[in-house]
Amino acid sequence: DVKVTQSSRYLVKRTGEKVFLECVQDMDHENMFWYRQDPGLGLRLIYFSYDVKMKEKGDIPEGYSVSREKKERFSLILESASTNQTSMYLCASSSHSSGNTIYFGEGSWLTVV
Amino acid sequence: QKEVEQDPGPLSVPEGAIVSLNCTYSNSAFQYFMWYRQYSRKGPELLMYTYSSGNKEDGRFTAQVDKSSKYISLFIRDSQPSDSATYLCAMSETSYDKVIFGPGTSLSVIP
Repeated sequence: DVKVTQSSRYLVKRTGEKVFLECVQDMDHENMFWYRQDPGLGLRLIYFSYDVKMKEKGDIPEGYSVSREKKERFSLILESASTNQTSMYLCASSSHSSGNTIYFGEGSWLTVV
Repeated sequence: QKEVEQDPGPLSVPEGAIVSLNCTYSNSAFQYFMWYRQYSRKGPELLMYTYSSGNKEDGRFTAQVDKSSKYISLFIRDSQPSDSATYLCAMSETSYDKVIFGPGTSLSVIP
């Protein structure tokens, strides 16, 4: 089974703090993604990566950055957390060889106070 | 018009009912179709995957794709309370393209 592991399930951070969300996948997938999910807005793509050290902006990249130093690991960074970044963050991975099916982690619930 | 549309529900059915969940889409180039189930406060999990047109069955679940109508469906037979979740459809043109998700339909199966 594909496993996408997000290191933190629940976090509470203060406004202005730097926040790191870590994600690891164990299926050697080339693609990795970060989404956020908010009620009424659905899944929104923040950033994605097709290869190590490569990153592409998604639909809502403002206020976020990412890092992919190893194939299995993709990190989301909030340089200066704000209250409007309170959300559920989902990491995911996929492979072209499996028809682009996306596998998600359990999610990280971030509250910025 | 959004690229992928779903009725958000909530949809409430009695246990044992047949459930029909649907998505419509506007891009006729979509070929890869997926259904995800998402329990409250959990990540979405892949439920069904189909390529191009036709039906696919897995236990109590059947996925149908009608490309001529740009319409996909997920049927759940003998629905159970454990099926209560949000169901998201997703699709892409090729295995290299961005996957587009629907907003999800909330389903409650009442014992």
